Amino acid sequence: KQEVTQIPAALSVPEGENLVLNCSFTDSAIYNLQWFRQDPGKGLTSLLLIQSSQREQTSGRLNASLDKSSGRSTLYIAASQPGDSATYLCAVIRGSTLGRLYFGRGTQLTVWP
Amino acid sequence: DAGVIQSPRHEVTEMGQEVTLRCKPISGHNSLFWYRQTMMRGLELLIYFNNNVPIDDSGMPEDRFSAKMPNASFSTLKIQPSEPRDSAVYFCASSLTANTEAFFGQGTRLTVV
Repeated sequence: KQEVTQIPAALSVPEGENLVLNCSFTDSAIYNLQWFRQDPGKGLTSLLLIQSSQREQTSGRLNASLDKSSGRSTLYIAASQPGDSATYLCAVIRGSTLGRLYFGRGTQLTVWP
Repeated sequence: DAGVIQSPRHEVTEMGQEVTLRCKPISGHNSLFWYRQTMMRGLELLIYFNNNVPIDDSGMPEDRFSAKMPNASFSTLKIQPSEPRDSAVYFCASSLTANTEAFFGQGTRLTVV
């Protein structure tokens, strides 16, 4: 069974800080990993998808890295802004159960001005 | 494209009533997923379809839950009879294929009283 853990569960930082969100997974035989953002009362917005053969992906101020062998991914947010406040979720697709996303419980981020 | 469209956005019903949730995936996407989000268990896959065919329904909690995809542009998730423990946010997602980037709808918040 795939377990996905996200640390920390909550994070509160002042505007402008660079920050790192962590995601770990127990089964390293993943197909890909996806980072999502969820605003309160809203759906999930896809931020980045990393294929198992890739080491990182970048989109604007976001950079996600993947280390399959250690079962870890990090989401780096540069120069954080209050608009970045949301819950960030990581999810993996296992190679053995294609299609099913296994989600972590998320990191609730608050960026205060 | 308008993205994944779910209806209704909110549903309040009495225990024992039938509830039907609806989803329109992104046009051209071959895979459709139903997820449930609760505080206790986070996000969990209920069922997913590929080319309108159910592929993995191991997450469907019990026989009270059923899902259909009569064509490529429409899916329903039905709960009959509903129970208070079914209260959750139900998300529909679609992707080009089973293992590509998943796009989520805004969700249906179901409350069973």
